[in-house]
Amino acid sequence: QKEVEQDPGPLSVPEGAIVSLNCTYSNSAFQYFMWYRQYSRKGPELLMYTYSSGNKEDGRFTAQVDKSSKYISLFIRDSQPSDSATYLCAMSASAGGTSYGKLTFGQGTILTVHP
Amino acid sequence: KAGVTQTPRYLIKTRGQQVTLSCSPISGHRSVSWYQQTPGQGLQFLFEYFSETQRNKGNFPGRFSGRQFSNSRSEMNVSTLELGDSALYLCASNTRGADTQYFGPGTRLTVL
Repeated sequence: QKEVEQDPGPLSVPEGAIVSLNCTYSNSAFQYFMWYRQYSRKGPELLMYTYSSGNKEDGRFTAQVDKSSKYISLFIRDSQPSDSATYLCAMSASAGGTSYGKLTFGQGTILTVHP
Repeated sequence: KAGVTQTPRYLIKTRGQQVTLSCSPISGHRSVSWYQQTPGQGLQFLFEYFSETQRNKGNFPGRFSGRQFSNSRSEMNVSTLELGDSALYLCASNTRGADTQYFGPGTRLTVL
C-alpha cells in the first residue's frame, strides 16, 4: 500500500465549477502538506503549503488538512480552463534522518476544465 | 529571483551508456533534491544534498548517484542505462531540506 493515495481521475468539469481534490495518507509522521500543479511537459509548481490541521485560503484555492483522519483536500473555486493540469499532493515529515529533502507524492489527479 | 534551472532539457541515450544531468538551485538555496517521474510510479525521491553532503537517499540502485558543489549546483549521474530509466528527472531546491520545495522544468531522458 502506498503511503499517499490520490485518485488519478481524470476529472472533467465545466468552467466556473468548484473542484475538490483529495489525498489520504498512512504515515502519521507527515507534518507538512503541499499541493503542486503540473502542466504538461513542465515541472511541478507549488500552489499551497500547510503545516497544521485546518484551512488555508489563497485566492480561488483553499487547502484543508485533517490530521486525525489523515486526509487533505484542495478546493478550487470558479475554475478556469487555465486550471487544466495535473494536481499533485505532497507531504513530508520533520527534517531529519530519512526525511531530509524528501517529499512523498500522490499519483496526481488530471483535471480538465472545459469552457 | 531566477528559478531552478536544469540542463539539458532533453536527452536520448542508448542502453548501457551513462548520463549526467545538471541542476542549478535558486540563489541562496542550499538543499537540492532529485526526483524521477514516470507515468507508472509517479514522482519518486532519489536523493538530497545539502552543503555538498548527501543527507538522504531513496530506494534506487547504486547506478544512480549525485553530487553537489560548493556553489550548491548539483549533478546526478546514471550509469549503465536501462530502458526503464526513461523518465522525467526533476530537481528541486529549498533553504533547509524540508517542506516547501521549488522545482525546475526537468530533464526528459529517453533510453533506446
